Amino acid sequence: EDQVTQSPEALRLQEGESSSLNCSYTVSGLRGLFWYRQDPGKGPEFLFTLYSAGEEKEKERLKATLTKKESFLHITAPKPEDSATYLCAVQGGGADGLTFGKGTHLIIQP
Amino acid sequence: DAGVIQSPRHEVTEMGQEVTLRCKPISGHDYLFWYRQTMMRGLELLIYFNNNVPIDDSGMPEDRFSAKMPNASFSTLKIQPSEPRDSAVYFCASSSGGPLYNEQFFGPGTRLTVL
Repeated sequence: EDQVTQSPEALRLQEGESSSLNCSYTVSGLRGLFWYRQDPGKGPEFLFTLYSAGEEKEKERLKATLTKKESFLHITAPKPEDSATYLCAVQGGGADGLTFGKGTHLIIQP
Repeated sequence: DAGVIQSPRHEVTEMGQEVTLRCKPISGHDYLFWYRQTMMRGLELLIYFNNNVPIDDSGMPEDRFSAKMPNASFSTLKIQPSEPRDSAVYFCASSSGGPLYNEQFFGPGTRLTVL
């Protein structure tokens, strides 16, 4: 059974204070690791897909990295508008659905 | 593109009533997924379709839940009879599949409250 564990559950940062969110996973035959952002009352919004260990992707202040056991979402000089819940999910071999972690609730204070 | 459309956005019903949630996927997408989100369990896959055919319904909690996809532009998730523990946010998502493991695009969700 695929499993995803995200840490920390919640994180409060000052504006401009860089940090990283962790996603540990166990999966049979990783097909893809996904990062989503979810704002209150909305559906998850796609950010990145990573396919193999060593891969990195960037988008504005966010950078996602992948190893064989975990992924990190690095947030550089965050702004208040980066406040959201960040969800990590994996897609395993033979399955098309995603297995999600419970997310990290990120708050950026001005 | 309008994105994934779900209706209703909010549903409040009483225990024992039938509830029907609706989803219109993004045009051209051949995969459709139904997820449920609760504080305790997070986002969980319930069922998904490929080319309108149900592929995996192992996440459907029990026989009270059923889903259909009569055509490429419409799907329903039905709960009959509903129970308070079914209260959650239900999301529909679609993707284009193919050789790349393309991202799933989520709708805004339906918040269901069963009294």
